[in-house]
Amino acid sequence: AQSVTQLGSHVSVSEGALVLLRCNYSSSVPPYLFWYVQYPNQGLQLLLKYTTGATLVKGINGFEAEFKKSETSFHLTKPSAHMSDAAEYFCAVSGYTGGFKTIFGAGTRLFVKA
Amino acid sequence: EADIYQTPRYLVIGTGKKITLECSQTMGHDKMYWYQQDPGMELHLIHYSYGVNSTEKGDLSSESTVSRIRTEHFPLTLESARPSHTSQYLCASSDLFARDQHFGDGTRLSIL
Repeated sequence: AQSVTQLGSHVSVSEGALVLLRCNYSSSVPPYLFWYVQYPNQGLQLLLKYTTGATLVKGINGFEAEFKKSETSFHLTKPSAHMSDAAEYFCAVSGYTGGFKTIFGAGTRLFVKA
Repeated sequence: EADIYQTPRYLVIGTGKKITLECSQTMGHDKMYWYQQDPGMELHLIHYSYGVNSTEKGDLSSESTVSRIRTEHFPLTLESARPSHTSQYLCASSDLFARDQHFGDGTRLSIL
C-alpha cells in the first residue's frame, strides 16, 4: 500500500525567503515521487519527479526536492520565494503494487507575502 | 503548453440536463484519468482507463460514466445533472507505468 502526507495545509513565506514544503510517503515498493503545482483555474503541472538515480532532483522555476529513503521524505524547497510561486502544491507517489497507481497528497497552499 | 485538452472550460447548466465533458490527449498515452476537485481541495480519482475499451471506477464513488473508444479520447457523462455534481473535473493521462501524469486545465461545472 502507498500513502502520502503533506505537513501543513497552508504555508506562508515572505518574498525572498526560503520555501520548504514537507512531504512524507509510505510505500511497500520502490517509489516514484512527484511534486505538482496548481495555479488558480488550471490543472496540475509537473514540477519535478524522482524515479531512480540521483536523490536530489531539480525541477522547473528553481524548485528542488531530495529523496531521503531513511526518512521516507521528499520535501520541496526553493531558496528564494517569488510572488509568482503562490499556488497549491501536491506531492504524489506511485509504484508497482499490482498495477501502477498514483496517490496524491491533500495539497499545501503556499502564500507569498510582499 | 497543454497537450491534453478539456472542453468546455466552464459550464453552467440546469438540473436534470445530460452533460458530456470532453477530454482528448495527443501523446498516445495508454492510461487516462478523471479527477473531481472542489476549489482548493484535494483530488479524488473517480474513473480511469488502461486503454481502449477499458474503464475502471476510482476511489470516489461517482454517478458519472466514462467511455474509451479511441486511445486519445476519454469523455465523461452525467445523465442527469444535480447541484451535488457542482465541482471541477480534471482529466489526465500517463504512460502505463504512471511515471508522471499530464493534466488538462479542467472543466468547472456548476449545476443550478
